[in-house]
Amino acid sequence: AQSVSQHNHHVILSEAASLELGCNYSYGGTVNLFWYVQYPGQHLQLLLKYFSGDPLVKGIKGFEAEFIKSKFSFNLRKPSVQWSDTAEYFCALRNTGGFKTIFGAGTRLFVKA
Amino acid sequence: DSGVTQTPKHLITATGQRVTLRCSPRSGDLSVYWYQQSLDQGLQFLIQYYNGEERAKGNILERFSAQQFPDLHSELNLSSLELGDSALYFCASSVEASPGELFFGEGSRLTVL
Repeated sequence: AQSVSQHNHHVILSEAASLELGCNYSYGGTVNLFWYVQYPGQHLQLLLKYFSGDPLVKGIKGFEAEFIKSKFSFNLRKPSVQWSDTAEYFCALRNTGGFKTIFGAGTRLFVKA
Repeated sequence: DSGVTQTPKHLITATGQRVTLRCSPRSGDLSVYWYQQSLDQGLQFLIQYYNGEERAKGNILERFSAQQFPDLHSELNLSSLELGDSALYFCASSVEASPGELFFGEGSRLTVL
């Protein structure tokens, strides 16, 4: 069975601090990986995705994630967060060619101005 | 605006009742997904439809059912409601059955008293 685990449920950072949100998954086959973000009062939207190729993926708003196959991880990073990054972040997985996308429990990030 | 419309936005009902949540996908999207987000839970995949046919099923209770109509809108029916069914129900859509990206609605918040 597929599963996604996000290590931190709540993260509080000051502006300009670096961010790393952990994501590990469980699945034995080939996967597609995603990070979605939900800003307060808004719908979930895609930040970035990994299908194949370069394991370092760049997304919108300065976010990036690195796929490390040996560690079953897909951590999200941003070198310098802003107050506007306050949101909930979801890591998600779909087995290649599969239909359902499985989400982690989410990490709520609060950035202090 | 993702283009996915969910109604109602908020719904309060009593235990034992039945409710219907509605989702209109983005124009051109053939696939509709339903997710449940409970307190401190991630997005739990419920069910997926593609062009009117059920494609994938998650942890959907027998008291819940869904369908996708010829005009591609979808409805999620929740019956014999229990307190634990209180949650945010998200609908998402995509063009293809095995999607690169899901487009989410803003959710329907169900409160069961």
